[in-house]
Amino acid sequence: KNQVEQSPQSLIILEGKNCTLQCNYTVSPFSNLRWYKQDTGRGPVSLTIMTFSENTKSNGRYTATLDADTKQSSLHITASQLSDSASYICVVSVSSASKIIFGSGTRLSIRP
Amino acid sequence: NAGVTQTPKFRVLKTGQSMTLLCAQDMNHEYMYWYRQDPGMGLRLIHYSVGEGTTAKGEVPDGYNVSRLKKQNFLLGLESAAPSQTSVYFCASSYPAGEQYFGPGTRLTVT
Repeated sequence: KNQVEQSPQSLIILEGKNCTLQCNYTVSPFSNLRWYKQDTGRGPVSLTIMTFSENTKSNGRYTATLDADTKQSSLHITASQLSDSASYICVVSVSSASKIIFGSGTRLSIRP
Repeated sequence: NAGVTQTPKFRVLKTGQSMTLLCAQDMNHEYMYWYRQDPGMGLRLIHYSVGEGTTAKGEVPDGYNVSRLKKQNFLLGLESAAPSQTSVYFCASSYPAGEQYFGPGTRLTVT
């Protein structure tokens, strides 16, 4: 069964600290993996996309990694800011027509 | 560009009432999607469309109907609302295999 599991479910850190969010998937055949940021009351916005051959990609203070062998991805946030408070959703695409599996997200709260 | 817009933003329905949610996009995307998001769960696909005049069922289609009469619009209908349909509904659009752009969501409560 195609599944995407994220951990932790929620996380609270102090402003300025780093954190890492995890995503494990059992999707097959794999096409690509995206990380989305969803602010409260808003729709998700894409942060990064990674294909099978890529194992790291950065977008400012966000760095995503992908290990296609172990089917794991992580999203590392450096020097967190209050505006990073949001839900982060891992989304994996199956190599077939329009099949996309969403994780349930990690709720990140940054405290001043 | 407005991107993806959804109307209404909020709605309260009584059980058995019907309503239509409207999604519009101005990016000339072929694909459009309707999702629902419930607490503690990932976004779940209700219906999607790969082009004007075509629609297909997603993961949780029961109780919903859709229409894509124009490329830029994707309508989601609830014929007889039930409390289980209380949720936040998101519309998205994309090029084939491309990044999905999401609307701001519609918060629906069915009492």
